Amino acid sequence: GAVVSQHPSWVICKSGTSVKIECRSLDFQATTMFWYRQFPKQSLMLMATSNEGSKATYEQGVEKDKFLINHASLTLSTLTVTSAHPEDSSFYICSARDRTSGGAGQYFGPGTRLTVT
Amino acid sequence: QKEVEQNSGPLSVPEGAIASLNCTYSDRGSQSFFWYRQYSGKSPELIMFIYSNGDKEDGRFTAQLNKASQYVSLLIRDSQPSDSATYLCAVNNAGNMLTFGGGTRLMVKP
Repeated sequence: GAVVSQHPSWVICKSGTSVKIECRSLDFQATTMFWYRQFPKQSLMLMATSNEGSKATYEQGVEKDKFLINHASLTLSTLTVTSAHPEDSSFYICSARDRTSGGAGQYFGPGTRLTVT
Repeated sequence: QKEVEQNSGPLSVPEGAIASLNCTYSDRGSQSFFWYRQYSGKSPELIMFIYSNGDKEDGRFTAQLNKASQYVSLLIRDSQPSDSATYLCAVNNAGNMLTFGGGTRLMVKP
């Protein structure tokens, strides 16, 4: 149980275009989903927290107009990187918290590697 | 001061030895503690979580929690080369948010 999927697993896009990443909880309902970014050899950086049906909460320094998050259902959250630039190239990972587990940890998706050329 | 601290390593142990990974945290209100393993280029996977003081064992892994001293550790017995990865400590605070440490890179040498 507690499987989280992400799509796509990797994407290459041109500078100035937008990219959408999907995060799905496959066998549980996730009231809260999290989006992280990880640069090579660095730790996870929380970008934003999204709760189903409400606006995402962004961490300090993360541009909400650039990284659009939609959590439309209990099993799906999307992150759209708008007007991507090469410095946005990174490993984007989502995680989800099982609403029935009382907050016992987060389950991570496999990640999406974004390369902006 | 970071909220969750880990030695970045690398921690190098020979195959078959016990690897000991440590983590300290600053928020005394923290309720639950997690260890994740992250292989290079992959996302983290949950290994263990612990809520109560003392030890919790799961196979070759033992998590130890000492709330008075604000540290949590992970012991890996009979370490294997496949255990080589970065181990992330995460702490769930009163706001039910996970805070991650920077991770400790473990290298198990055959």
